[in-house]
Amino acid sequence: GAVVSQHPSRVICKSGTSVKIECRSLDFQATTMFWYRQFPKQSLMLMATSNEGSKATYEQGVEKDKFLINHASLTLSTLTVTSAHPEDSSFYICSARDPQRGDADTQYFGPGTRLTVL
Amino acid sequence: AQTVTQSQPEMSVQEAETVTLSCTYDTSESDYYLFWYKQPPSRQMILVIRQEAYKQQNATENRFSVNFQKAAKSFSLKISDSQLGDAAMYFCAYRISGNTPLVFGKGTRLSVIA
Repeated sequence: GAVVSQHPSRVICKSGTSVKIECRSLDFQATTMFWYRQFPKQSLMLMATSNEGSKATYEQGVEKDKFLINHASLTLSTLTVTSAHPEDSSFYICSARDPQRGDADTQYFGPGTRLTVL
Repeated sequence: AQTVTQSQPEMSVQEAETVTLSCTYDTSESDYYLFWYKQPPSRQMILVIRQEAYKQQNATENRFSVNFQKAAKSFSLKISDSQLGDAAMYFCAYRISGNTPLVFGKGTRLSVIA
């Protein structure tokens, strides 16, 4: 399948600091990427849709000023958690699809980033 | 709004046996896609199988097959000859066509007993 990477895989930060998570499509171009959040033993919850060259679309209840999304190129979307607090500790996953592939309807996922805020 | 329901929080199966995971969904769309994803302890989401709603034939991928009942809005996953490596969380997901996100069920945790 299409390859999506995330960096870092794990990050620990102090409360009040900002953390940037990168999502890259390695072998294809993605005009749209999606950011999900997953709490322990729960399902994936969509946070926002990242659109290349335009503003992200946030789901209801997700603070856009706290979770900044930038999709500056066709292969890179970044999620910045600003002024992180312990309740932001979670597993963050991005996904994208390759519209040029035969399975263009399929979303492929990055390996995820575990964020721990102390 | 579209919803996906997985009614079995946990399931277990003996190694080499067959198990079926249930999934139902609610939508008013006629053109959509259905997926089963596997999430092992590494938490990497892995595509297991996909089904286009316009296809009547059930999708099959090696030991994995689905029973897609469009009228009933049901999309179950059958795992044959279960292996220890099949132990994971399984998520049923739905999306409509275009640049749209997936809607996930709550997941079913599958244990495989040796």
